[in-house]
Amino acid sequence: AQKITQTQPGMFVQEKEAVTLDCTYDTSDPSYGLFWYKQPSSGEMIFLIYQGSYDQQNATEGRYSLNFQKARKSANLVISASQLGDSAMYFCAMREAYSGGGADGLTFGKGTHLIIQP
Amino acid sequence: GAVVSQHPSRVICKSGTSVKIECRSLDFQATTMFWYRQFPKQSLMLMATSNEGSKATYEQGVEKDKFLINHASLTLSTLTVTSAHPEDSSFYICSARARGGRREQYFGPGTRLTVT
Repeated sequence: AQKITQTQPGMFVQEKEAVTLDCTYDTSDPSYGLFWYKQPSSGEMIFLIYQGSYDQQNATEGRYSLNFQKARKSANLVISASQLGDSAMYFCAMREAYSGGGADGLTFGKGTHLIIQP
Repeated sequence: GAVVSQHPSRVICKSGTSVKIECRSLDFQATTMFWYRQFPKQSLMLMATSNEGSKATYEQGVEKDKFLINHASLTLSTLTVTSAHPEDSSFYICSARARGGRREQYFGPGTRLTVT
């Protein structure tokens, strides 16, 4: 079974609209971390936001917020007021405390290709 | 934010040769670095975890004799692809986690390897 599932391979959104990128995860570890990264066409991975499994509140970083629903194992990324520069691949990733790869290696989803249209 | 560099950014080599890729943390010490591989239009796959001063930990299915990792200092890890073949052509990305337990991994810009 996939540990990170991103069900939207591609999305087209009008500029200035809000965007929700879906991510569900699967783990039996009680302690884990969830990440979202942006990868533009240049290939660099840009850290956007982090949510810890024990965090009581949803994480927010500027225009980015994470809708964390622990019981549903869901960690959707919300981008408010989208901009043309938001066009990129977006990856959801997880770090498991006990059963993850390596010591803190991340497991990535397949990504969502977001295109913002003017 | 923290900066991680990779060198080279692109490399083309002939089949059978070896290629070394460097990953440096420029403004922080990284006791742990990670190497990922990304095929076109696919996700990142963790290859190995590199710990300063000790042997790397490889993920299942990754040949340790083919992908040699050395983490000689707190700011440098190297990945050597030995006897490269066309199927090794990929985008290799390193990341580093800062000492002190910061949660983010900072990624390098990646190295695009093409084996002809």
